[in-house]
Amino acid sequence: QQQVKQSPQSLIVQKGGISIINCAYENTAFDYFPWYQQFPGKGPALLIAIRPDVSEKKEGRFTISFNKSAKQFSLHIMDSQPGDSATYFCAASSGSYGKLTFGQGTILTVHP
Amino acid sequence: NAGVTQTPKFRVLKTGQSMTLLCAQDMNHEYMYWYRQDPGMGLRLIHYSVGEGTTAKGEVPDGYNVSRLKKQNFLLGLESAAPSQTSVYFCASSYGRGDWNEQFFGPGTRLTVL
Repeated sequence: QQQVKQSPQSLIVQKGGISIINCAYENTAFDYFPWYQQFPGKGPALLIAIRPDVSEKKEGRFTISFNKSAKQFSLHIMDSQPGDSATYFCAASSGSYGKLTFGQGTILTVHP
Repeated sequence: NAGVTQTPKFRVLKTGQSMTLLCAQDMNHEYMYWYRQDPGMGLRLIHYSVGEGTTAKGEVPDGYNVSRLKKQNFLLGLESAAPSQTSVYFCASSYGRGDWNEQFFGPGTRLTVL
């Protein structure tokens, strides 16, 4: 049972374009929604996170949009760069000991 | 600070063999986690610990055991390895308090079971 569904599985974007990755969740008890970035051969690292009391959070070129009623959230990468090429994971937590439920991951490739 | 370190980085086992993966963190974190990463499935929680001497099951605990005898170390054991346990294993730790419970991940261990 996949409680967090992520799409697309892979994404190719030109340099300077906008990358958009979507996630949907089922458990209404989730109250923390982070995005992790993973480069090949490395462990995931926290990129940006949001709580459901706000609809949007922006940090530099990265923005999370959150729709509580639809149980969906998305990551937008503005002015995408080749250095952004990585695998991105959305996740969700209900606050119970910080346990994370991850989406399936999106492999982002940004062409120069 | 080294952050979260994992030993070994790579390992090949034969079916039925046993092994222990070691995770160490130097951030004085209370919480530690073991995940496995498989293509198309994201990361799935195997076991976790919320403090020294405590452990609990995650989403996919079968075939694994863990121990947290010291706060800085979290061990993952495979008693009798199976090909289905071929995966990349990640350890993570977090402070355990505050509004933003960021998890810090190690570099991973790539395990192949033949």
